[in-house]
Amino acid sequence: DAGVIQSPRHEVTEMGQEVTLRCKPISGHNSLFWYRQTMMRGLELLIYFNNNVPIDDSGMPEDRFSAKMPNASFSTLKIQPSEPRDSAVYFCAVGGDTGELFFGEGSRLTVL
Amino acid sequence: EDQVTQSPEALRLQEGESSSLNCSYTVSGLRGLFWYRQDPGKGPEFLFTLYSAGEEKEKERLKATLTKKESFLHITAPKPEDSATYLCAALTGGGNKLTFGTGTQLKVEL
Repeated sequence: DAGVIQSPRHEVTEMGQEVTLRCKPISGHNSLFWYRQTMMRGLELLIYFNNNVPIDDSGMPEDRFSAKMPNASFSTLKIQPSEPRDSAVYFCAVGGDTGELFFGEGSRLTVL
Repeated sequence: EDQVTQSPEALRLQEGESSSLNCSYTVSGLRGLFWYRQDPGKGPEFLFTLYSAGEEKEKERLKATLTKKESFLHITAPKPEDSATYLCAALTGGGNKLTFGTGTQLKVEL
């Protein structure tokens, strides 16, 4: 169990506010992923890092979204400014070369 | 564009009533087909990886199979604790990018 820890678990904010979601993977894996899950679209890959370097950010919806991974133990996903359509559950996951992923419990974001 | 489609969207079974979930995929260069289980309020949990057509994997009451166009998750004599959303995903290309289906929500009743 990789023990991926995400915070906050729940966030309610108003449109236009900045939102920062955090991920701390406890065990060492060389890849880290940010996914977004909604009822309509399911799980969508936003961005993934390999050895702390962003590899594929084609899923990031627009310039309001940004992600960083300053070291192997920490990553952030920032939305600025937030909009109601950003409401979703955001998952951080880690994995290696096999494709098997270990997910955190998610951050549920509600933008009013 | 890679596509993964799951059916049915929702399935209600009686305890002991066996059934199958379907995952069809249209992708370029499949490197692996994955099944995950997701409980409410939790992240997906890995179940199986299948790499080539004809391969089968089993775990308790679950068996996953793979053909060149689809995968099935067979549930034999399900119990209420098998209730969850089951997701399949395809690994393609040269990186570690998984494309997920939207899932089948399974409910097993007494």
